[in-house]
Amino acid sequence: DIVMTQSPDSLAVSLGERATINCKSSHSIFYSSNNENCLAWYQQKPGQPPRLLIYWASSREPGVPDRFSGSGSGTNFTLTISSLQAEDVALYYCQQYFILPFTFGQGTKLEIK
Amino acid sequence: QVQLQQSGPGLVKSSQTLLLTCVISGDSVSSNIATWNWIRKSPSRGLEWLGRTYYRSKWFHDYALSVTSRITISPDTAKNQFSLHLSSVTPDDTAVYYCARNSAFDLWGQGTMVTVSS
Repeated sequence: DIVMTQSPDSLAVSLGERATINCKSSHSIFYSSNNENCLAWYQQKPGQPPRLLIYWASSREPGVPDRFSGSGSGTNFTLTISSLQAEDVALYYCQQYFILPFTFGQGTKLEIK
Repeated sequence: QVQLQQSGPGLVKSSQTLLLTCVISGDSVSSNIATWNWIRKSPSRGLEWLGRTYYRSKWFHDYALSVTSRITISPDTAKNQFSLHLSSVTPDDTAVYYCARNSAFDLWGQGTMVTVSS
């Protein structure tokens, strides 16, 4: 199985500041057929299912604010929130869909400093 | 509006079979481009993909090795839904269970908290 490792486990950022979450895969998840990385980012708030934010490592899901962006390739990926808002407090997960079984990172808890 | 609506019991006894259903609105379980998944979340395992079903001129199923001997995911085209059957459950199967669409999971059910009692 591909192991997804996120860092940090928790993060406290001031409102309006940048938040950065990292995700590393144990194997490259670059799909040569379409030159894309099979990496998604999710946001989960208490009592809700995860919400897809980013797919193909950097494509924003419709309706997701443009302060959320994804980057990276191969085995190293980053989710960036450019200017943290109060409603961004949540758990964030990365997930690879390159090969079965699909696997998730352990999650990063984002809080307000 | 596309949505997934889950149903099923919140409490199951050890050794019994867990059955959850996910009703699809606004899409089709027989879609030739979508896949239909079950995922669970627990404190001990985090988010764990369990398996999927999809139709590409015939039905396909893929399951996680950790549950492959106990799991069946069944499509029901008449009711436009798909179901999770997990047999011989133990307290370790206690989790919130979700149904979800596609491989980057773009649509989720509301989640069902399932407790397995010993």
